[in-house]
Amino acid sequence: GAVVSQHPSWVICKSGTSVKIECRSLDFQATTMFWYRQFPKQSLMLMATSNEGSKATYEQGVEKDKFLINHASLTLSTLTVTSAHPEDSSFYICSATTGDREETGELFFGEGSRLTVL
Amino acid sequence: QKEVEQNSGPLSVPEGAIASLNCTYSDRVSQSFFWYRQYSGKSPELIMSIYSNGDKEDGRFTAQLNKASQYVSLLIRDSQPSDSATYLCAVRNYGGSQGNLIFGKGTKLSVKP
Repeated sequence: GAVVSQHPSWVICKSGTSVKIECRSLDFQATTMFWYRQFPKQSLMLMATSNEGSKATYEQGVEKDKFLINHASLTLSTLTVTSAHPEDSSFYICSATTGDREETGELFFGEGSRLTVL
Repeated sequence: QKEVEQNSGPLSVPEGAIASLNCTYSDRVSQSFFWYRQYSGKSPELIMSIYSNGDKEDGRFTAQLNKASQYVSLLIRDSQPSDSATYLCAVRNYGGSQGNLIFGKGTKLSVKP
């Protein structure tokens, strides 16, 4: 399968600071990337859909001004958690798909980034 | 609200046995179904995908789909301790963002040596 890489794997920050998480597709061009969030013992919840060269589409209840998404190239999407608070502590996972895989819905997941806000 | 339901478990089976994982979904028009395995602290990895009614086999894994009953299952034959993980059922969401998946909360499987 295709390879999606996330960085950093772990990040600890102070409340009020901003954190950037990168998601890269290593061996394919990802026209669409998805950002998920997973709280402990909960399922993955889609936060936003990121399309290369256009604005991200946010799911209901996700603050677009707090979770900034940039998909400037076909291999890189970034998620910036602005003014992070302890309740933002979670496991953030990106996934990517190329256009020809969308019919199957086959997503390739990054390794995930665990954010802890103190 | 589209939902994917799974028994949270834990499901405990002895090594070598068959593990049966079940999932129901609420959106009748769903067409694409997936099983992911997630080890603790790791991101999900795709195990099986299934799109048509019936069975689909891949090695020790068999996915079963019954669209009329809105039911999808995963059988793991000859279970190994390394199969111990949380198994997530996912359904492609046609009404939402293009290509995104709706995940169940997962069933935790424990295979005892």
